[in-house]
Amino acid sequence: KNEVEQSPQNLTAQEGEFITINCSYSVGISALHWLQQHPGGGIVSLFMLSSGKKKHGRLIATINIQEKHSSLHITASHPRDSAVYICAVQDTGANSKLTFGKGITLSVRP
Amino acid sequence: KAGVTQTPRYLIKTRGQQVTLSCSPISGHRSVSWYQQTPGQGLQFLFEYFSETQRNKGNFPGRFSGRQFSNSRSEMNVSTLELGDSALYLCASSLSSGRAGLKDNEQFFGPGTRLTVL
Repeated sequence: KNEVEQSPQNLTAQEGEFITINCSYSVGISALHWLQQHPGGGIVSLFMLSSGKKKHGRLIATINIQEKHSSLHITASHPRDSAVYICAVQDTGANSKLTFGKGITLSVRP
Repeated sequence: KAGVTQTPRYLIKTRGQQVTLSCSPISGHRSVSWYQQTPGQGLQFLFEYFSETQRNKGNFPGRFSGRQFSNSRSEMNVSTLELGDSALYLCASSLSSGRAGLKDNEQFFGPGTRLTVL
């Protein structure tokens, strides 16, 4: 069973700051997902990656398969980035089962 | 292309009742997965359906069941509801065509059904 740990537990930042959220997992995976959930809102998939780095706007996600670790970076943070960020890992093999971290609550102050 | 839709969006039931939730995947997607989100346990995998067959199952009691129809639409049923079943129930669909590549297993989430058990 994969154990997914996220850090830091909660995060408060000032608008404009560079933010890093970390995710570690214990067992080999086929892919890692970064998800975003606004209060009372649904879940949006930000990234799915299995190696290297992906960038979308102000968001960057990296993964190190050997170290079983991924980071999500937010550059020039904005209050609208305030949300819960959830890391989820996907089992190997022909299935879609995801195991989730507990999520990090990010609050960006203006 | 329409996204994943779930109905109903909100539901209030009492203990002992049963409930059926529905999920319509993105057109062409063959896999539908169901998840439960609670404040205490976070997000947990319930089960996955692919081509009308349950392909994977999480650690939930038998009161939680599901099915998938030939058009890939899926329903999940919870019988004999308990207070602890109050949660946001999410479904996600993926292409799962069997072709190699990350995009094949990328999951797209629906807005969820918020179930309250009184």
